[in-house]
Amino acid sequence: SAVISQKPSRDICQRGTSLTIQCQVDSQVTMMFWYRQQPGQSLTLIATANQGSEATYESGFVIDKFPISRPNLTFSTLTVSNMSPEDSSIYLCSVERAPDTQYFGPGTRLTVL
Amino acid sequence: QQQVKQSPQSLIVQKGGISIINCAYENTAFDYFPWYQQFPGKGPALLIAIRPDVSEKKEGRFTISFNKSAKQFSLHIMDSQPGDSATYFCAASKPNFGNEKLTFGTGTRLTIIP
Repeated sequence: SAVISQKPSRDICQRGTSLTIQCQVDSQVTMMFWYRQQPGQSLTLIATANQGSEATYESGFVIDKFPISRPNLTFSTLTVSNMSPEDSSIYLCSVERAPDTQYFGPGTRLTVL
Repeated sequence: QQQVKQSPQSLIVQKGGISIINCAYENTAFDYFPWYQQFPGKGPALLIAIRPDVSEKKEGRFTISFNKSAKQFSLHIMDSQPGDSATYFCAASKPNFGNEKLTFGTGTRLTIIP
């Protein structure tokens, strides 16, 4: 398994502002993933983050809105930019420890007013 | 386009009973099928997973049944307990040279009543 922490655990933000979410894992991993989970819904992949390369975004998600950094093999950040109430969600990072096997962090619960 | 369909949306089972959640997929390239358990306020936790070369996998009270020809798989929770009350997600992924992305089902909210 993996020990994954996320900061902040929750936040309430004003529309038009940005929030950066941090994801820290207890040992080095190649692949890190960022997901969005809207209230009562399933998980939707935002992007895949490989260390040393640009993140790969899924359809419907763009770098200007969700810039991602991956400075080393244990850390990544996701920024939610120019927020609107529609961005209110839980944001989750996950890591791949073995082929196909992903472990998730506890999530960041974001509310945008 | 929903590539992994999950049912039911919610399920209520009496303590000690068997909880059954079903998933169906369309893409025959999928070759890994995990189940995740999520409690309120927590991230999803990997529960059990199966590959299509076997028809069943059991870990404690949790069993995955897999039907490759029907493109269906299901989670069975035996002797269901109140602590099993959570949301369960099935998922699937296909080989992608180290970048295997999970496609999730819509989730099932399971409630175990005493």
